[in-house]
Amino acid sequence: QKEVEQDPGPLSVPEGAIVSLNCTYSNSAFQYFMWYRQYSRKGPELLMYTYSSGNKEDGRFTAQVDKSSKYISLFIRDSQPSDSATYLCAISDRGSTLGRLYFGRGTQLTVWP
Amino acid sequence: EAEVAQSPRYKITEKSQAVAFWCDPISGHATLYWYRQILGQGPELLVQFQDESVVDDSQLPKDRFSAERLKGVDSTLKIQPAELGDSAMYLCASSLAPFGSGTGELFFGEGSRLTVL
Repeated sequence: QKEVEQDPGPLSVPEGAIVSLNCTYSNSAFQYFMWYRQYSRKGPELLMYTYSSGNKEDGRFTAQVDKSSKYISLFIRDSQPSDSATYLCAISDRGSTLGRLYFGRGTQLTVWP
Repeated sequence: EAEVAQSPRYKITEKSQAVAFWCDPISGHATLYWYRQILGQGPELLVQFQDESVVDDSQLPKDRFSAERLKGVDSTLKIQPAELGDSAMYLCASSLAPFGSGTGELFFGEGSRLTVL
């Protein structure tokens, strides 16, 4: 079983829709939760970062963590064509100074005008 | 804005050949990572450096892969000999400090896409 599971999609929505992206993880020691956005042929860039359960909001993006269910989500409100990208969840523990990141396989999102 | 530089962006090679990738991290970033991303998958860590020292190479196929960061700044990842299964994007990332320290946001380069024929 992989440390992080993520539905690869693809997901296609109209402009203005609310998008929900999700990941599950297996290790209860994981404490850091991130979402990266990766445009085609580019490296990932950090979108959201949290290390606690609950919600964190940044503009149109909301990251949600439910440690009891080992489930994390990213919501995108008022989605725009510029949001079309692959979204990767990444999770890490704090058990060592190495703090290795475990990435999901990414969900490919297309927002059409 | 400071960026992680990688070269080459694209590399096509035949199996059994040698290939090398170069990475120049953001200035001042002590921690450098090489990740491999197979098409349709998430990045997987190959090797992590703290300054010039390797701190995690447990996922690096050492029979054919090698990585160095001699002066603690730029880094080279080498594959010899390349195999068909090595076709992937090789991503370099850097951070001010190791991620587990709580300050280690990773900044990724644009990657080097390798195709092995």
